[in-house]
Amino acid sequence: SQQGEEDPQALSIQEGENATMNCSYKTSINNLQWYRQNSGRGLVHLILIRSNEREKHSGRLRVTLDTSKKSSSLLITASRAADTASYFCATDALGGGADGLTFGKGTHLIIQP
Amino acid sequence: GAGVSQSPRYKVAKRGQDVALRCDPISGHVSLFWYQQALGQGPEFLTYFQNEAQLDKSGLPSDRFFAERPEGSVSTLKIQRTQQEDSAVYLCASSPRPGQTWSQPQHFGDGTRLSIL
Repeated sequence: SQQGEEDPQALSIQEGENATMNCSYKTSINNLQWYRQNSGRGLVHLILIRSNEREKHSGRLRVTLDTSKKSSSLLITASRAADTASYFCATDALGGGADGLTFGKGTHLIIQP
Repeated sequence: GAGVSQSPRYKVAKRGQDVALRCDPISGHVSLFWYQQALGQGPEFLTYFQNEAQLDKSGLPSDRFFAERPEGSVSTLKIQRTQQEDSAVYLCASSPRPGQTWSQPQHFGDGTRLSIL
């Protein structure tokens, strides 16, 4: 079963604008990760934020985490056509158990040139 | 260096046939994961290996699904007596350290797209 829910399911913006995607999850976590998937390809890791962190930056990416609300956001600034992809949040459960990540359904981002 | 390699990229099989999907992880990576991704959905965890040991198979949907990693490197996911609902993309991922002890990024292959007719 999917733990997370990304919002919105689809987003279309103009090149140069900022894109914000949100993720909600259900159980306590060790960390939260964001991945990108281009059509027909595997997932590429973007950024990992630990449960004791509130914000993290990597290049044009900014991720926030609010464990009290069980939510995270991914901001892509100054978007480019190459950012067109699906974006997934993924969590691993606090306390172990299954070792795999639990993914949301994803946000499909389209950058219009 | 080489990333995670999966083969075949596409597999078409008739319902009832057995299929085998191969994953070559990044050399030296301890952890190996299999995921199933239905169209328009996020990946769902199937099974986890630490070296050659299969430590978690809680996500395997039925006893028709079997995975192995006998020498702690290459892994094979086998599906017996395939059904139409098995149609999906099967993704393999690896990471350098044991999954239980360290939160770490996973490196994914491009997957095998399985279609059951």
